[in-house]
Amino acid sequence: AAGVIQSPRHLIKEKRETATLKCYPIPRHDTVYWYQQGPGQDPQFLISFYEKMQSDKGSIPDRFSAQQFSDYHSELNMSSLELGDSALYFCASSLGGRGYEQYFGPGTRLTVT
Amino acid sequence: AQSVTQPDIHITVSEGASLELRCNYSYGATPYLFWYVQSPGQGLQLLLKYFSGDTLVQGIKGFEAEFKRSQSSFNLRKPSVHWSDAAEYFCAVAPRTNAGKSTFGDGTTLTVKP
Repeated sequence: AAGVIQSPRHLIKEKRETATLKCYPIPRHDTVYWYQQGPGQDPQFLISFYEKMQSDKGSIPDRFSAQQFSDYHSELNMSSLELGDSALYFCASSLGGRGYEQYFGPGTRLTVT
Repeated sequence: AQSVTQPDIHITVSEGASLELRCNYSYGATPYLFWYVQSPGQGLQLLLKYFSGDTLVQGIKGFEAEFKRSQSSFNLRKPSVHWSDAAEYFCAVAPRTNAGKSTFGDGTTLTVKP
């Protein structure tokens, strides 16, 4: 069965650079969630989209922005990267906007040097 | 604000022994409750969830969890642990308005001794 795809799987950037993470949800899923998991920490909800509209917002820094496109894939754009942005970024998808059952992608490991 | 507490940072059990991972939550109303498992460097896999109804929930891989409203708990259990169960386990809660906006506990790392 198709799963959530995230690209790239690994990304190394320098401070003050920008990064774009991509998430391709399971086919027919219309809702995407982004989480950030720092080293040894639990995942923190960043933002979610349902039917291409932002549906909820968590602890997402102002330096980050995200959107969901017409094909339901989502991109997380991160600017002015800081060392503290180094983390595993997960995307999850679900059907129907209420997240009854989220399927998580394998994550993108971002390292900021 | 909602919060999740997993009191045990690290648990070690012998293969074949029973397992119970604790989870307590703080929330204004009964939230949606989840247990996820994460292997090193991997994504999160949903083990089971509780929305309503029967308070004993069966999940994948032989896991079950019991919701106890009076204790604000949602403990995960497995009668016989396998070596492949070694991983990190996260309890999560989410509001009923957006079950995807989960708040996770700090996780419990399970080590399985042969």
